[in-house]
Amino acid sequence: GAVVSQHPSRVICKSGTSVKIECRSLDFQATTMFWYRQFPKQSLMLMATSNEGSKATYEQGVEKDKFLINHASLTLSTLTVTSAHPEDSSFYICSAPQGPEAFFGQGTRLTVV
Amino acid sequence: GQNIDQPTEMTATEGAIVQINCTYQTSGFNGLFWYQQHAGEAPTFLSYNVLDGLEEKGRFSSFLSRSKGYSYLLLKELQMKDSASYLCAVRYNQGGKLIFGQGTELSVKP
Repeated sequence: GAVVSQHPSRVICKSGTSVKIECRSLDFQATTMFWYRQFPKQSLMLMATSNEGSKATYEQGVEKDKFLINHASLTLSTLTVTSAHPEDSSFYICSAPQGPEAFFGQGTRLTVV
Repeated sequence: GQNIDQPTEMTATEGAIVQINCTYQTSGFNGLFWYQQHAGEAPTFLSYNVLDGLEEKGRFSSFLSRSKGYSYLLLKELQMKDSASYLCAVRYNQGGKLIFGQGTELSVKP
């Protein structure tokens, strides 16, 4: 199947700093990618839809100024968590559709201290 | 809303069969996925249903009834390594995004 690569897999940052997470489709082009967040013992919650060449679409309750999404090319979407706080500590994971299927990155474990 | 409901926890015995149910709101339905997720890892694709009926893939089968808004994942010949969270996800027409249920934590015991 198609491959989606997410980087970094783990990151620890200080409160107040920003963290960038990259999501790449390695062997296909993705005009749309999806960003999810998962807290411990919970399911994946959709944060936003990343659209190549246009603004991202955010789900209700997700702050677009805090979670900046850039989809600058057909193979790369980035999520930047700005001014991170301990409550932003979570597992962030991206997904890219190809045909009827959805392929996931490996996920990023963010810890804000 | 797009409520997707599945049991929170299930327990089964090694070698047995277990069925995990999922119900969803049918408006705008455009496909249903099942994923397996081990703690701390990304979800792994198990199955995809868009038409009514049963899809079989080795020890795993998935069933869909679009009129009832109902699916189940059937796991046969359970192994200890099948202990994981099983996620039901539905794709709706709006942009192709997947909406996930809360996940079913399956514990397989000897």
